[in-house]
Amino acid sequence: DIQMTQSPSSLSASVGDRVTITCRASQILSGYLNWYQQKPGKAPNLLIYAASTLHSGVPSRFSGSGSGTDFTLTISSLQPEDFATYYCQQSYTIPGTFGQGTKLEIK
Amino acid sequence: EVQLVQSGAEVKKSGESLKISCKGSGYSFINYWIGWVRQMPGKGLEWMGTIHPGDSDTRYSPSFQGQVTISADKSIGTAYLQWSSLKASDTAMYYCVRHKDTAMVLDYWGQGTLVTASS
Repeated sequence: DIQMTQSPSSLSASVGDRVTITCRASQILSGYLNWYQQKPGKAPNLLIYAASTLHSGVPSRFSGSGSGTDFTLTISSLQPEDFATYYCQQSYTIPGTFGQGTKLEIK
Repeated sequence: EVQLVQSGAEVKKSGESLKISCKGSGYSFINYWIGWVRQMPGKGLEWMGTIHPGDSDTRYSPSFQGQVTISADKSIGTAYLQWSSLKASDTAMYYCVRHKDTAMVLDYWGQGTLVTASS
């Protein structure tokens, strides 16, 4: 299985801050990297797929970048509703492994 | 509107069998892979496997192969996840997910089914 490692595991930030979460894969993904947001007690939601394509309805303050094995999710100006847990996932090969998650908390 | 509606929470004893369901609507059910993701209490997400309802082609994560069975009934637009003999370690939230196009991009999620297996 491809191993996905996110950093940091948790992060404290304030409304209006710019935040970056990184995800590293154990092998090259050819851009098959996705990001999801999960709020407590809810199912995850797709934010970004193919490393940098915003899913329908996702605010433009979210962006993704990266290639090869290293990818980032950036939130340009944190809003109160963005405090959640974020997961990366590779869709290059079965199984579609996830990172361990990054919990974004209010400072 | 695409919707995946899952069956309700289950409480079972270890050793019992179980089948949970996921009904898709608002899209062509037979044309999209539909799969399952596990989330154990307080833990992260694990991709379990997926099925193409059009031809019943099924793929499993090695971690779940032989432990669960994924199936689908295209006549009623419903996918299933089943266990023949539950273990306490199967206690988790299970989400059904639609795969966008042909890749494992999970673009729509069900609301989740909580399975509790007591020893």
